[in-house]
Amino acid sequence: EIVMTQSPATLSVSPGERATLSCRASQSVSSNLAWYQQKPGQAPRVLIYGASTRATGIPARFSGSGSGTEFTLTISSLQSEDFAVYYCQQYNNWPPVTFGQGTRLEI
Amino acid sequence: EVQLLESGGGLVQPGGSLRLSCAASGFTFSSYAMSWVRQAPGKGLEWVSAISGSGGSTYYADSVKGRLTISRDNSKNTLYLQMNSLRAEDKAVYYCAKGGLHSGSYRGWFDPWGQGTLVTVSS
Repeated sequence: EIVMTQSPATLSVSPGERATLSCRASQSVSSNLAWYQQKPGQAPRVLIYGASTRATGIPARFSGSGSGTEFTLTISSLQSEDFAVYYCQQYNNWPPVTFGQGTRLEI
Repeated sequence: EVQLLESGGGLVQPGGSLRLSCAASGFTFSSYAMSWVRQAPGKGLEWVSAISGSGGSTYYADSVKGRLTISRDNSKNTLYLQMNSLRAEDKAVYYCAKGGLHSGSYRGWFDPWGQGTLVTVSS
């Protein structure tokens, strides 16, 4: 099973600033990585798949990069609605697909 | 618009059973793999099970193998999760999601997700 490790666990950033979230895989997952955003009381929604492709309707301030074992989600200019928990997920080696433990993005 | 609507959650005693349903609309249900993903209170996301579009292939997390059974009825556009021998550690919000099998025309990421249904296992 591939273990996904996200860092940091909590990231404190001010609105308008840039946020950089990291995700590391225990072995290569190629570019088969997705990022999700989850707000309190809501289901997750996909932001990025294929490591760098934005999902439909996702604003351009969200971008993903990386391949192999190191991945990054960047939010270029934080809006108030971006404060949430973010998860990465690998789907290269399955079953099981596996998620990181999440990064909480707070003001 | 693609919609997924779960139902069937509730309170069950340890060792008991429950069947979750997920009604799908807005897409050709039989063409897509479907999955169940759960989230324990205050915790992260855990993939539980996935099924191919035809229903002919199923996959499970080790933590639920032999106790939970995924199935689908393509004539009703509905996904199911039969949950037997439930344990306290199965308490979670269970989400159904489109996707989760990265193979051929199937995609490995989950989009969209239903709103979730809460399963509580307690005496």
